[in-house]
Amino acid sequence: DVKVTQSSRYLVKRTGEKVFLECVQDMDHENMFWYRQDPGLGLRLIYFSYDVKMKEKGDIPEGYSVSREKKERFSLILESASTNQTSMYLCASIPGGNTGELFFGEGSRLTVL
Amino acid sequence: GQSLEQPSEVTAVEGAIVQINCTYQTSGFYGLSWYQQHDGGAPTFLSYNALDGLEETGRFSSFLSRSDSYGYLLLQELQMKDSASYFCAVGSNTGKLIFGQGTTLQVKP
Repeated sequence: DVKVTQSSRYLVKRTGEKVFLECVQDMDHENMFWYRQDPGLGLRLIYFSYDVKMKEKGDIPEGYSVSREKKERFSLILESASTNQTSMYLCASIPGGNTGELFFGEGSRLTVL
Repeated sequence: GQSLEQPSEVTAVEGAIVQINCTYQTSGFYGLSWYQQHDGGAPTFLSYNALDGLEETGRFSSFLSRSDSYGYLLLQELQMKDSASYFCAVGSNTGKLIFGQGTTLQVKP
């Protein structure tokens, strides 16, 4: 079965802390994505990656960075967490050259106090 | 840039048919897909259209008109379990996949 695993379902952090959200997929997919989801705003793309060590900014990259050192792993980093980054974060993957079925992880709900 | 518009809420009764529209703006259009998300869950894939026309999968169908930058999701024989949020998403040749803001469907008995 296809699987995208996010390391933490729930996190609580303090303002200014560095936060790592990890995502691993076992499908050998080339493309991986990080979205954040907030009520009424849908899913907004933060960053995506189409290959190891490659990354592209999405629509809301400010305050975030990403790392893709291995094909199966895509990490989202908040260098200095702020309260407006309190959100649900969703990782997803898809085979290269395909814009059809995204496979999502279960999500990581981050609260920044 | 890319943008999508879909209605924020739709209400229908059990057994009815409902259509959720999606209009989009994008360069390098690759395809339009639809996802369902129940409260507390992750989005799950429903359908994908890369070419004009209707795709049918059981009770759900999806339509695309590339010339009109428009698509819709059609849900037939509505069931209570269909109450959820529905998102359209467009893919482009840059690799970006952008989602609409979602439509909350409430199915009433």
